[in-house]
Amino acid sequence: QLQMQESGPGLVKPSETLSLTCTVSGGSISSSSYYWVWMRQPPGKGLVWIGSIYYGGRTYYNPSLKSRVIISVDTSKNQFSLKLNSVTVADTAVYHCGVAYYDSSGRVYWGQGTPVTVSS
Amino acid sequence: QSVLTQPPSASGTPGQRVSISCSGSSSSIGRNTVNWYQHFPGTAPKLLIYKNNQRPSGVPDRLSGSKSGTSASLAISGLQSEDEADYYCAAWDDSLHGWVFGGGTKLTVL
Repeated sequence: QLQMQESGPGLVKPSETLSLTCTVSGGSISSSSYYWVWMRQPPGKGLVWIGSIYYGGRTYYNPSLKSRVIISVDTSKNQFSLKLNSVTVADTAVYHCGVAYYDSSGRVYWGQGTPVTVSS
Repeated sequence: QSVLTQPPSASGTPGQRVSISCSGSSSSIGRNTVNWYQHFPGTAPKLLIYKNNQRPSGVPDRLSGSKSGTSASLAISGLQSEDEADYYCAAWDDSLHGWVFGGGTKLTVL
């Protein structure tokens, strides 16, 4: 089964760019059978979808974050990444990467997440 | 405010059956299937139910899901102490072209 591990700085200063990487094992990130997803959970709040990237590079983002988000894939490293610019304290959250099966099942599996705090 | 609506809490005693509801809209649950996750803070949310009522391998059959119209529910029978966790519903939203989630339900086993 596919497994994912998030990595990146745990502390980011306001107005700077948050950069996270998700390393995929147990399968190829180039497969057309999956697409790749990021979500986050602010402290004490629910889960929020950030965006997705599909085979071929097509992306979709949550409208509330769209102007600040870029999701990309690095096939040479079997990784995909999240960049969120101009962060504020409201971006403090646990960030999870996930894999969604590109079939009728709707299955999405998530990594354990990595906490990011935005603070000066 | 979450796009899907769940009760913030639920509880039951060992052996009981509990149900958690999830309400959405025509663009989410009304047109697409529902997933359910169990989440312990600091860990990966675990997929319990997909496609409304399908269980991945390893998920016991005392967990079941259903959907009707723009609502769905997760039922846990034979409640066990290990079931105490946060539960989230999720669905694809056609207008968002992305996933929407419920606010989560904290299940307490009394």
